Amino acid sequence: DADVTQTPRNRITKTGKRIMLECSQTKGHDRMYWYRQDPGLGLRLIYYSFDVKDINKGEISDGYSVSRQAQAKFSLSLESAIPNQTALYFCATSDPTGGESYEQYFGPGTRLTVT
Amino acid sequence: QKEVEQNSGPLSVPEGAIASLNCTYSDRVSQSFFWYRQYSGKSPELIMSIYSNGDKEDGRFTAQLNKASQYVSLLIRDSQPSDSATYLCAVPPTGNTGKLIFGQGTTLQVKP
Repeated sequence: DADVTQTPRNRITKTGKRIMLECSQTKGHDRMYWYRQDPGLGLRLIYYSFDVKDINKGEISDGYSVSRQAQAKFSLSLESAIPNQTALYFCATSDPTGGESYEQYFGPGTRLTVT
Repeated sequence: QKEVEQNSGPLSVPEGAIASLNCTYSDRVSQSFFWYRQYSGKSPELIMSIYSNGDKEDGRFTAQLNKASQYVSLLIRDSQPSDSATYLCAVPPTGNTGKLIFGQGTTLQVKP
């Protein structure tokens, strides 16, 4: 089984709808991240969480919110989806207790289309 | 200047050749450097980490770090068509933030 899973894998939604993307991990890592990837713009950090009570905005948090329900679960919500939020979304985890504390491990991604 | 810069490519090499991918970074105090491989439509996969000046080899991959010149490179020996992908360089920003700054990636095409 995959260490980092994301659901759904593909989603098409309409403008104005609220949508939630979910991420779960079995790696036992404390740190979790949400990125979006757009062609030509690379990976951009939306939110990150170092533990259940520590949630931080990334570089492009406007229009998004997150919830860290447990160490293993980190959800991303689009409160009112708009077409320019069409992108590939990735969840990632890292373990600050290891020697290589910055290594991040990615889930398979969610392809979101907002029409 | 962008924090992490890569030539977007595409870089095209024949099968069996050495592919050389380069990355420059702006933060002089960066201590950790990472290379990720991303196939089209898939998620980034960590393939190399390097922390010290010099070379680090892992199979057909060699990462080279030069902190004085602020660049890190990835060499792929005996390139195979299956190496065709986008390679992302990642560097932590100043301060122990636990974040990574990613370059935009270099697309590598290995032609049979």
